Amino acid sequence: AQSVSQHNHHVILSEAASLELGCNYSYGGTVNLFWYVQYPGQHLQLLLKYFSGDPLVKGIKGFEAEFIKSKFSFNLRKPSVQWSDTAEYFCAVILNSNSGYALNFGKGTSLLVTP
Amino acid sequence: NAGVMQNPRHLVRRRGQEARLRCSPMKGHSHVYWYRQLPEEGLKFMVYLQKENIIDESGMPKERFSAEFPKEGPSILRIQQVVRGDSAAYFCASSREPSGTGLSGEQFFGPGTRLTVL
Repeated sequence: AQSVSQHNHHVILSEAASLELGCNYSYGGTVNLFWYVQYPGQHLQLLLKYFSGDPLVKGIKGFEAEFIKSKFSFNLRKPSVQWSDTAEYFCAVILNSNSGYALNFGKGTSLLVTP
Repeated sequence: NAGVMQNPRHLVRRRGQEARLRCSPMKGHSHVYWYRQLPEEGLKFMVYLQKENIIDESGMPKERFSAEFPKEGPSILRIQQVVRGDSAAYFCASSREPSGTGLSGEQFFGPGTRLTVL
């Protein structure tokens, strides 16, 4: 079965530290890739997405992600985190299959940034 | 510009009762998606609807669950005879265009309805 794996469930960083959250998917066909963020008490918001073209995607708030097709990965990065980045981060994939519009989510990574 | 609205935000039901969850998509959006998030799990797709049509309900449990998106009014997710295992957060998303590989229909999410079954 197709799946989306997020390796880290809980991450604690100090402000100014660099962030990398892992995401791998198991599907051999065409995919669209997404990272969503959910700040405490708020809606899920789209951070960035990859459809085609340059595999290095830049999103909002200084986040970026790199699609490495050979590794089936789409890791999220930020060079220097801030306290306001404390949130839940979800990787998601749309598969080119019968349900070619359903977002398949990972379980999420909870990020806590300490002052 | 109002985003995706869901109500109620919290719903408590006893076993055997019915739960009705409402979703009003963003203005101009005619595509609605429902997802369920069980404790300690990621969001799971349930159903995709366009106005008056169910396009894909492959993620819906076969019994007790139904969804609709009428010509007028919000989309409704209905759970009959709720059981404790239905306790979860239910999220609705909407898009202006269809989502899909190669398509740019970004899904905008509502705040969710947290259903608790006693």
